[in-house]
Amino acid sequence: DGGITQSPKYLFRKEGQNVTLSCEQNLNHDAMYWYRQDPGQGLRLIYYSQIVNDFQKGDIAEGYSVSREKKESFPLTVTSAQKNPTAFYLCATGEGAREQFFGPGTRLTVL
Amino acid sequence: GDSVTQMEGPVTLSEEAFLTINCTYTATGYPSLFWYVQYPGEGLQLLLKATKADDKGSNKGFEATYRKETTSFHLEKGSVQVSDSAVYFCALSEWGGSNYKLTFGKGTLLTVNP
Repeated sequence: DGGITQSPKYLFRKEGQNVTLSCEQNLNHDAMYWYRQDPGQGLRLIYYSQIVNDFQKGDIAEGYSVSREKKESFPLTVTSAQKNPTAFYLCATGEGAREQFFGPGTRLTVL
Repeated sequence: GDSVTQMEGPVTLSEEAFLTINCTYTATGYPSLFWYVQYPGEGLQLLLKATKADDKGSNKGFEATYRKETTSFHLEKGSVQVSDSAVYFCALSEWGGSNYKLTFGKGTLLTVNP
């Protein structure tokens, strides 16, 4: 069953904690993306990766970090430097064609 | 830079009503255009797309035509159903030098009442 999986579906973070959001795909796509969604704001690009071991900052990378050690995986770490991390986080993949395919999302809440 | 402007919601319609959600864009080159749909608590699903001027994208009764002269990609459906209730995003994709960059509108919430 091909697709994109994100885990966990809901995540709670205490102030000062780092948390890592998982994104896995078996679509064999080279490109992977992380977006943040806030109410009424649309989607904003955090980081993207075109190939393994390479990634680039998006529009709002401050307070986030990523790695791309495997083609299938692109985890996102929300660090304590991110002052307002409560949001819905979406992972996406793309392959040459211009459209992107999205996972089901992780909702992060700061306690 | 590239930008997408879509009509603000929320939009509330009765079942079987006609739907139009306006979308206009600004881009430097020749972008591809998309409509995505997001149901509550879920990720985005590609609804339809058009890659060049005068193309019409269609899916599940929804249609949108790529109008280069008016830089528009309005979403239409002739008869909406309760199950169409969702947030709709207009987006464009353009080569950014090292990758295809997807730029989204802010989304339009559609509620269809029985």
